[in-house]
Amino acid sequence: RKEVEQDPGPFNVPEGATVAFNCTYSNSASQSFFWYRQDCRKEPKLLMSVYSSGNEDGRFTAQLNRASQYISLLIRDSKLSDSATYLCVVNKDRDDKIIFGKGTRLHILP
Amino acid sequence: NAGVTQTPKFRVLKTGQSMTLLCAQDMNHEYMYWYRQDPGMGLRLIHYSVGEGTTAKGEVPDGYNVSRLKKQNFLLGLESAAPSQTSVYFCASSRPGGPQHFGDGTRLSIL
Repeated sequence: RKEVEQDPGPFNVPEGATVAFNCTYSNSASQSFFWYRQDCRKEPKLLMSVYSSGNEDGRFTAQLNRASQYISLLIRDSKLSDSATYLCVVNKDRDDKIIFGKGTRLHILP
Repeated sequence: NAGVTQTPKFRVLKTGQSMTLLCAQDMNHEYMYWYRQDPGMGLRLIHYSVGEGTTAKGEVPDGYNVSRLKKQNFLLGLESAAPSQTSVYFCASSRPGGPQHFGDGTRLSIL
């Protein structure tokens, strides 16, 4: 099993729809989880941290399932500006070796 | 508050030339990282540092060296540039356990 695995997509979603991605990780000792977005030819930018209890920021909801070792990102009422690649980030183990997933490409269609 | 600053933004080198990429952060972060990203690909970790004076190899360290003489700076050196090192290079910094903050990248072409 890969350390961090994401469906590469692309996900083609009509504007206004809800879309969700999952990201699985292999190391059960992982402690920190994040979602980033990356626009074409730009640097990754932190979207949100993922907390054990789940957390929401506007239209975005992140959840952690430790038992099944995955995190999820839900985007509601999607906007054209949400088109990007979404990167899942997991710290590999307790010495903070951060592992980036390869990303899921999202295209919001007008 | 500048965050993470990378210099230069763009550079073209000839095969065999050497150069140094500079990363500076003003957030007092302990950890710093260098990544490369090739077109359509994910980030690959080159080297990282968990504190001033310490460095460690990442996934793709060959052909690169790094130094962390000051907490705020992390330098990436290409000893003898090769066309395979044409890429976008990103620097990032973080506190332990925290999210990484990225610079806006250096686009490097090796001819």
